[in-house]
Amino acid sequence: DAGVIQSPRHEVTEMGQEVTLRCKPISGHDYLFWYRQTMMRGLELLIYFNNNVPIDDSGMPEDRFSAKMPNASFSTLKIQPSEPRDSAVYFCASSPRGRNNEQFFGPGTRLTVL
Amino acid sequence: AQSVTQPDIHITVSEGASLELRCNYSYGATPYLFWYVQSPGQGLQLLLKYFSGDTLVQGIKGFEAEFKRSQSSFNLRKPSVHWSDAAEYFCAVGARDDKIIFGKGTRLHILP
Repeated sequence: DAGVIQSPRHEVTEMGQEVTLRCKPISGHDYLFWYRQTMMRGLELLIYFNNNVPIDDSGMPEDRFSAKMPNASFSTLKIQPSEPRDSAVYFCASSPRGRNNEQFFGPGTRLTVL
Repeated sequence: AQSVTQPDIHITVSEGASLELRCNYSYGATPYLFWYVQSPGQGLQLLLKYFSGDTLVQGIKGFEAEFKRSQSSFNLRKPSVHWSDAAEYFCAVGARDDKIIFGKGTRLHILP
């Protein structure tokens, strides 16, 4: 398996623009997690899905952030409009089950909002 | 609430020296514990995990960790570090609601 795939790997955009980050989980994994990593706040869970259904989005910072999982092999995290404070590395991870199993992380998307 | 504390933000050791990274957790029941490593520009990779059984857990790259319930600790060890071990290390605990709670991380520096 190719592992968790994220695109793009780097994104530079201007404040106010819409940003869409993409994730393809490992085939057969039922759980998908979106994280944000910054120097100040460390690794933060934004939202996670089970069988394509959002379970907990309490970590989504505000209404500018939205996530979808239209099918088992694809998820998006959208920021609209983007702000400089959204600059971070965004990770997607998948897991074959819940907490009983480890999460497999993608390489991340480094987002810079100017 | 579940939480993980990694008291050392940075650790510096000489190549060939032994390593211990500290981790304390807070959890009401038997925890599911993990150590992950993140190399620069990469995602997190699982080093080892503890679910039950033997309290000394072996992982990849020569790492091991010991679960001590009485101390609520899950420290990571390696007898002899290599320059390629320079990275950030995250301790984590599995929460009741399918999430994993990560510590803030410890950045390991290796002196030649």
